Amino acid sequence: ETGVTQSPTHLIKTRGQQVTLRCSSQSGHNTVSWYQQALGQGPQFIFQYYREEENGRGNFPPRFSGLQFPNYSSELNVNALELDDSALYLCASSLFRGASGANVLTFGAGSRLTVL
Amino acid sequence: GENVEQHPSTLSVQEGDSAVIKCTYSDSASNYFPWYKQELGKGPQLIIDIRSNVGEKKDQRIAVTLNKTAKHFSLHITETQPEDSAVYFCAASISGGSYIPTFGRGTSLIVHP
Repeated sequence: ETGVTQSPTHLIKTRGQQVTLRCSSQSGHNTVSWYQQALGQGPQFIFQYYREEENGRGNFPPRFSGLQFPNYSSELNVNALELDDSALYLCASSLFRGASGANVLTFGAGSRLTVL
Repeated sequence: GENVEQHPSTLSVQEGDSAVIKCTYSDSASNYFPWYKQELGKGPQLIIDIRSNVGEKKDQRIAVTLNKTAKHFSLHITETQPEDSAVYFCAASISGGSYIPTFGRGTSLIVHP
């Protein structure tokens, strides 16, 4: 079974630019969540996608947006980049099982974004 | 919303010693508490989890305890080894539905040979 893969692994942008990060889910998973991890901090929830629709959102502005595709892969888009957007962006996939139990998250290795 | 506090931020031990990491949570509705290990250059990996109907769970050298009344839970690692060196995160969530755990800020565990 393949794990979660993310691309690119590292990238550098300047303030005001836009960035797209990509994620391929683990085989058999149908839900994708995106997290922002600043240096020395825990992962902060950005949003989650299930059935190609946003299924929950954390405290992030609208310039953070996403997509989920029919094959359950996903994109995170960030517009008008700010210096504080510099972080590791983690994608995690899981299997939505309704009320039957916790959905274990499988994380990718992340995309390291530096905004200059 | 849920708030998870984690202590200590850094923990340095000698190989063979035990290590304990503690977390508290604020939302009494939370009923699922996973622990993740993040090695350098990798994403977090689930190492153990506990549900609110259980007070303790063990898996070889790792154990987790939960005190629902006090809203705190702890990770215990015995006979630490250098390969245990990593950042450990606790998390709290409500099981099922839109599973969205809230993470602590992490503990950097350093095991000296």
